[in-house]
Amino acid sequence: SQQGEEDPQALSIQEGENATMNCSYKTSINNLQWYRQNSGRGLVHLILIRSNEREKHSGRLRVTLDTSKKSSSLLITASRAADTASYFCAPAYSGAGSYQLTFGKGTKLSVIP
Amino acid sequence: DAGITQSPRHKVTETGTPVTLRCHQTENHRYMYWYRQDPGHGLRLIHYSYGVKDTDKGEVSDGYSVSRSKTEDFLLTLESATSSQTSVYFCAISETSGRETQYFGPGTRLLVL
Repeated sequence: SQQGEEDPQALSIQEGENATMNCSYKTSINNLQWYRQNSGRGLVHLILIRSNEREKHSGRLRVTLDTSKKSSSLLITASRAADTASYFCAPAYSGAGSYQLTFGKGTKLSVIP
Repeated sequence: DAGITQSPRHKVTETGTPVTLRCHQTENHRYMYWYRQDPGHGLRLIHYSYGVKDTDKGEVSDGYSVSRSKTEDFLLTLESATSSQTSVYFCAISETSGRETQYFGPGTRLLVL
């Protein structure tokens, strides 16, 4: 399978701490995306980083991409209880006819108030 | 949320019966997707569409068919439901390419007895 793989599978932190999640993927990508899923809901797009970018910020989110290591990380700073959710990375692979994203199994983040 | 609705939101059916799930969008996006989400597997692509009457198979297409006769509607049919098709089904849309941001519907929870 070409899906991304998130690490760790589960993460529990105190409110106010930073949370870091990692993603590894297999072949060259066009971009890599991160999504959040609250329990029982659909996925929500958080951030997209292109293969020629190394870092991107959006509010309290910081995403890095290292194409030489085929890895990405998502940092959530000053976490809040509302950040409790599952987080998925989705590499968008290069190549003709690649119309798909491939989702990993996710990191389940619990932020304890 | 992007203008995506799924119907029904919950369904219980019996093995061997046909089931049709509907995804409706008001965004006029070209690409539409059906995923299933199961514990331990993350999101897996069933079928996708890149235009009216243009569809293709995803990773787990066996036992499923799709149709798209209008831009706004993408139907997923389980021809003869089996217990292994018990899952949460998500529809997603994207505007320009399957590699770009996808917007997800709220999901349909299907139980096949």
